[in-house]
Amino acid sequence: QSALTQPASVSGSPGQSITISCTGTSSDVGGYNYVSWYQQQPGKAPKLMIYDVTYRPSGVSNRFAGSKSGNTASLTISGLQGEDEADYYCSSYTSSSSLVFGGGTKVTVL
Amino acid sequence: EVQLLESGGGLVQLGGSLRLSCAASGFTFSGYAMSWVRQAPGKGLEWVSAISSSGGNTYYADSVKGRFTMSRDNSKNTLYLQMNSLRAEDTALYYCAKGSHGSDWFGGVDYWGQGTLVTVSS
Repeated sequence: QSALTQPASVSGSPGQSITISCTGTSSDVGGYNYVSWYQQQPGKAPKLMIYDVTYRPSGVSNRFAGSKSGNTASLTISGLQGEDEADYYCSSYTSSSSLVFGGGTKVTVL
Repeated sequence: EVQLLESGGGLVQLGGSLRLSCAASGFTFSGYAMSWVRQAPGKGLEWVSAISSSGGNTYYADSVKGRFTMSRDNSKNTLYLQMNSLRAEDTALYYCAKGSHGSDWFGGVDYWGQGTLVTVSS
């Protein structure tokens, strides 16, 4: 199972919006609504930000939003803040009952 | 509060074995699928394995199939990962994670432990 494709880095100024893409295939992202997004701060465990494509866990800011079109899922962070600087990973359930992650995207707040 | 506490990591020689444990609390352990995810130093996340709530179904990444065995003891609220024939590429921080879709495995995890480091050396 190949990793999902994410841009290596995305940057934006405070207050701006950024979008991170996550491209897979019809056997993973395109075939299931089981896409999640995780935020990982340096030295910390990943934190769930979005699950099942669009749902936010309790406690996650509504500045984070998920979507999907075809084989590509996206995470949009609006009103970018310094605390959003981190690595972000997408994941998807697959047709072989596995879980596949993206390579990760480093978000930099300029 | 969900808590997942991994243990059992350490330094092991090529071809050796190690057993990881994950003690769970703060939720009904027997009601959820669980998973192991690893992260090599400076690298991204890699899914390793998953198990259904009853332990009756297990799932493995191709990279560990036949070498790793995942199990659980619902009476002890504990998850295990038996790792045999360890390779240098198995060196990573191993996270225990709670499934986000109840008893069955449909990918997706919501809570993560802090991880236990496994180092395989020659």
